[in-house]
Amino acid sequence: AQRVTQPEKLLSVFKGAPVELKCNYSYSGSPELFWYVQYSRQRLQLLLRHISRESIKGFTADLNKGETSFHLKKPFAQEEDSAMYYCALTAQGGSEKLVFGKGTKLTVNP
Amino acid sequence: DTEVTQTPKHLVMGMTNKKSLKCEQHMGHRAMYWYKQKAKKPPELMFVYSYEKLSINESVPSRFSPECPNSSLLNLHLHALQPEDSALYLCASSLRSYYGYTFGSGTRLTVV
Repeated sequence: AQRVTQPEKLLSVFKGAPVELKCNYSYSGSPELFWYVQYSRQRLQLLLRHISRESIKGFTADLNKGETSFHLKKPFAQEEDSAMYYCALTAQGGSEKLVFGKGTKLTVNP
Repeated sequence: DTEVTQTPKHLVMGMTNKKSLKCEQHMGHRAMYWYKQKAKKPPELMFVYSYEKLSINESVPSRFSPECPNSSLLNLHLHALQPEDSALYLCASSLRSYYGYTFGSGTRLTVV
């Protein structure tokens, strides 16, 4: 079974501080991992895919298969980063079932 | 067009009503999905359509009936819903799962 755990329900940092949102997963096969973000009153949108190894809006995430983690990091948080962040997983190879973690609400204070 | 469009944005229905939610995308995505999201909770998968065929039904009650008339359209027919079915219903689509999903803005459903 696929499972995604985001241990922090709420995370609060000051502007300019580093931020790390934790994500751990449980899946016996090879996963495809994603971070989605939902800004206030906006639709859920894709932020990062592990397969592309990209940096979006200053955020990066590295898949650590040994620790089964996919933590989201940004060196200098901005107020506009305040949002709900969901880590999500689907099985590599064609399964279309995307499973979400419970989400972390990030607040960046001025 | 890079969006998933959902209509209506808001819907209030009685427990004896029949209504439908509509979802449309013109990105050539082959898979389309219905998710249910309760307040302050993550989206929960309901149905997956792949190449216009139902491929996943997450044990959703039969009062929810999905339909995929063509590769661009996805409907969710609602009948005899309960107040606990009130939620935000999200539609999404994807070209392949590893590209990620594109979500619509949702239909906020209230059952009275």
